[in-house]
Amino acid sequence: KAGVTQTPRYLIKTRGQQVTLSCSPISGHRSVSWYQQTPGQGLQFLFEYFSETQRNKGNFPGRFSGRQFSNSRSEMNVSTLELGDSALYLCACTRRADGGEAFFGQGTRLTVV
Amino acid sequence: EDQVTQSPEALRLQEGESSSLNCSYTVSGLRGLFWYRQDPGKGPEFLFTLYSAGEEKEKERLKATLTKKESFLHITAPKPEDSATYLCAVQAGTNAGKSTFGDGTTLTVKP
Repeated sequence: KAGVTQTPRYLIKTRGQQVTLSCSPISGHRSVSWYQQTPGQGLQFLFEYFSETQRNKGNFPGRFSGRQFSNSRSEMNVSTLELGDSALYLCACTRRADGGEAFFGQGTRLTVV
Repeated sequence: EDQVTQSPEALRLQEGESSSLNCSYTVSGLRGLFWYRQDPGKGPEFLFTLYSAGEEKEKERLKATLTKKESFLHITAPKPEDSATYLCAVQAGTNAGKSTFGDGTTLTVKP
């Protein structure tokens, strides 16, 4: 069966620009979470969506936002990019509404220059 | 706030040399503890879920155990292909869908 698909795989952006990342979860998995992974901070939770509603939010500034569509696909947006936003952004989905094992995409490697 | 600490940060083993990775956690209302494997440039891959103290899960050369304060990932007779970063995560309380991750243990198995 198809896994979690994230696009694009790689991005290079300039400070001050904005970026939109996309995630298509496994069919039938309605919970989608986003994580930022950096060498110094590990995997940090950004937010989680279920049935188009944000249920949980991590400790990131308002420049980080997301949304989920009726087909469970999700996007995250980062506005006014900073050098420190350079990271691997990972999307994960779970089959159950109350959590459980997460299935991750390959990630989007964002480099801000 | 939920906290997960993994040790050691890095572990180098000879092929066939068994060892254990540790994950200690502080949470309010554990709903599940998860182990993942992550290869360079890829997303984490799910390995095990543990729900209650005393529970054990096995898969090939890996065995995960859980107590009320920590979990261990035991690796028996590892092979070079077991080299990866192993991540521990918890879900707790009413935060459905949110996982708190440790920083991981990078395992290198030399032939």
